[in-house]
Amino acid sequence: DAKTTQPPSMDCAEGRAANLPCNHSTISGNEYVYWYRQIHSQGPQYIIHGLKNNETNEMASLIITEDRKSSTLILPHATLRDTAVYYCIVRVRTGNQFYFGTGTSLTVIP
Amino acid sequence: NAGVTQTPKFQVLKTGQSMTLQCAQDMNHEYMSWYRQDPGMGLRLIHYSVGAGITDQGEVPNGYNVSRSTTEDFPLRLLSAAPSQTSVYFCASSLGTKNTEAFFGQGTRLTVV
Repeated sequence: DAKTTQPPSMDCAEGRAANLPCNHSTISGNEYVYWYRQIHSQGPQYIIHGLKNNETNEMASLIITEDRKSSTLILPHATLRDTAVYYCIVRVRTGNQFYFGTGTSLTVIP
Repeated sequence: NAGVTQTPKFQVLKTGQSMTLQCAQDMNHEYMSWYRQDPGMGLRLIHYSVGAGITDQGEVPNGYNVSRSTTEDFPLRLLSAAPSQTSVYFCASSLGTKNTEAFFGQGTRLTVV
């Protein structure tokens, strides 16, 4: 599975959009981009995933560049409860193993 | 549905002791896996299973055994606990070979003294 690179930490003002970048320059054609988050020491929580098209759900939007070498997770209106570590993961379609990096620690500031 | 249930939530072991961490899911998921998370780090895959009777190693399998006799359960056994195995352990499950999300349990915090 391709490795990912994320900034170690970010801040975002409450109510503003949080844009979390991820670099996955070695991604291959059959690898999906997944985003999970971990609040305190709880189990990771699924946010969103995509292959090459942009995706949106009730939690977030995922923007994948045309060359698929990077992506951005967007939380449109960050709240204090969005403070967490966010993991960007690439995963082969037929496999169900996730290889986590160290993620981005997002702090939402009042 | 209870989702993914891990027991116990906390455990303290002495070096050399053995124990089994339990993981059960009630979603009829084929895929199950175990991860460990050390302080300040992401999760690392220990072992995984693609169905009953089938298991395989992940990134950090040494010192751990698994078996998958039923779809619902995927226990993780520590054969002879070592301080280096002090960690938080997470179990996850997902539906199958299609591209699906994984659901994680709430973790077992293990301390080996």
